[in-house]
Amino acid sequence: KQEVTQIPAALSVPEGENLVLNCSFTDSAIYNLQWFRQDPGKGLTSLLLIQSSQREQTSGRLNASLDKSSGRSTLYIAASQPGDSATYLCAAPGGGADGLTFGKGTHLIIQP
Amino acid sequence: EAGVAQSPRYKIIEKRQSVAFWCNPISGHATLYWYQQILGQGPKLLIQFQNNGVVDDSQLPKDRFSAERLKGVDSTLKIQPAKLEDSAVYLCASSLELRTEAFFGQGTRLTVV
Repeated sequence: KQEVTQIPAALSVPEGENLVLNCSFTDSAIYNLQWFRQDPGKGLTSLLLIQSSQREQTSGRLNASLDKSSGRSTLYIAASQPGDSATYLCAAPGGGADGLTFGKGTHLIIQP
Repeated sequence: EAGVAQSPRYKIIEKRQSVAFWCNPISGHATLYWYQQILGQGPKLLIQFQNNGVVDDSQLPKDRFSAERLKGVDSTLKIQPAKLEDSAVYLCASSLELRTEAFFGQGTRLTVV
C-alpha cells in the first residue's frame, strides 16, 4: 500500500525567497509522480508530472525532482510571489492500481 | 479545451438522505476517478473507471456509496443514506489513459447535517 508524506505541513516565507517542498513515498515501484496546487475552496490544478524515467521536470519558476531509489520528490519554487500562496499536494500511484495516493499537503503562505 | 465539469458545486443534506453528484470528464479521456477529500486531508480515491468498466473500487464504502459511468463518458456518484462523516469535497478527475496525467474538476462540497 502506497503512503505519501509531505514535509513541512505549513510554511510561511517572505516574498522573493526560494523554497523547497518535500514529499516521500513508500512504494518506489511508481511510473510517475504528480504535484498539484489547491487554492481554498477550489479543485486541484496539475503543476508537474514526472515520469519514472526522468529525474527532473520544470515549468516556469517550478522545478520538481524525483529520486525513486530513496522514495523522495522535491518541488522547488524560485523567487516566490504572494500568488504562490496555496496548498501544494504530492501524489503517487501505487498498490497495484492506477489511482493516486496523496499526501496531506504543504500549506504555503508567501508574505508580501 | 474544456476541463472536468462537476455539479452541483455545493450541497447540504440531512443525515440519512440521499445525494448524487455528476461529472463530465475532458473529452476523449478514457479514465475517470472519484476522490473524497475531508477537510485538512489529501484526496482519497473512491473508485476508478476505465471507459465504462470499474478498475478499482476497493476504498468505496459499498454499503452506501455507488457509482456508474454509462457509455464511458459522464459519471454519477451516489450516497444513500448519508452520514455525518460523509461531509467532504468530492472530486472528479480524468486522464487520457491509464498512467497519464490526471486533471481535476472544481469539486462538490457536501455538508451533512
